[in-house]
Amino acid sequence: GQQLNQSPQSMFIQEGEDVSMNCTSSSIFNTWLWYKQDPGEGPVLLIALYKAGELTSNGRLTAQFGITRKDSFLNISASIPSDVGIYFCAGQLNDYKLSFGAGTTVTVRA
Amino acid sequence: EPEVTQTPSHQVTQMGQEVILRCVPISNHLYFYWYRQILGQKVEFLVSFYNNEISEKSEIFDDQFSVERPDGSNFTLKIRSTKLEDSAMYFCASKTGGQPQHFGDGTRLSIL
Repeated sequence: GQQLNQSPQSMFIQEGEDVSMNCTSSSIFNTWLWYKQDPGEGPVLLIALYKAGELTSNGRLTAQFGITRKDSFLNISASIPSDVGIYFCAGQLNDYKLSFGAGTTVTVRA
Repeated sequence: EPEVTQTPSHQVTQMGQEVILRCVPISNHLYFYWYRQILGQKVEFLVSFYNNEISEKSEIFDDQFSVERPDGSNFTLKIRSTKLEDSAMYFCASKTGGQPQHFGDGTRLSIL
């Protein structure tokens, strides 16, 4: 099956800083997705990417679908306390399955 | 905004007992999924369901697991004889073709 490597595993950041995380895969995907999970809740979709090379923004979030279709990154600009949580990348080859990365835990120092 | 709803939020069951986890997907969605997340680990795919049949399943989804869409709104996951290692958060998700999956808030399953 597809192996996704997500890094960093965790990060402490200062409020106002920019954050960057990425995912690489052993095989290609047709769609890359980024989700955020807060404690006790399910993953919430942040950004969906459908084409190699695509760069998409959602407020302070920006994500890119790598040109090789085997990687993606997520940037958060000017972090705020509510950015705390676990961020997951997920790759999709067809309509039937998502493969998730191990997550990046973000903690913001006020 | 429509959402995926799951019940119960927490289920405690004795080892060896059967358990049914329930989900109401978003109403116009056609693809349905179950995932699990063991505490502190990543979300793992279990099974997808489309056109009234299983379309893909993982090696985790053995013959102790089954899914059913008993009517037009519910989607259930049954574990026939629970084991301690089945303790996890179980997430239901749904989507339409070409769109991203939307997840419920999960059922925490605790096996004693």
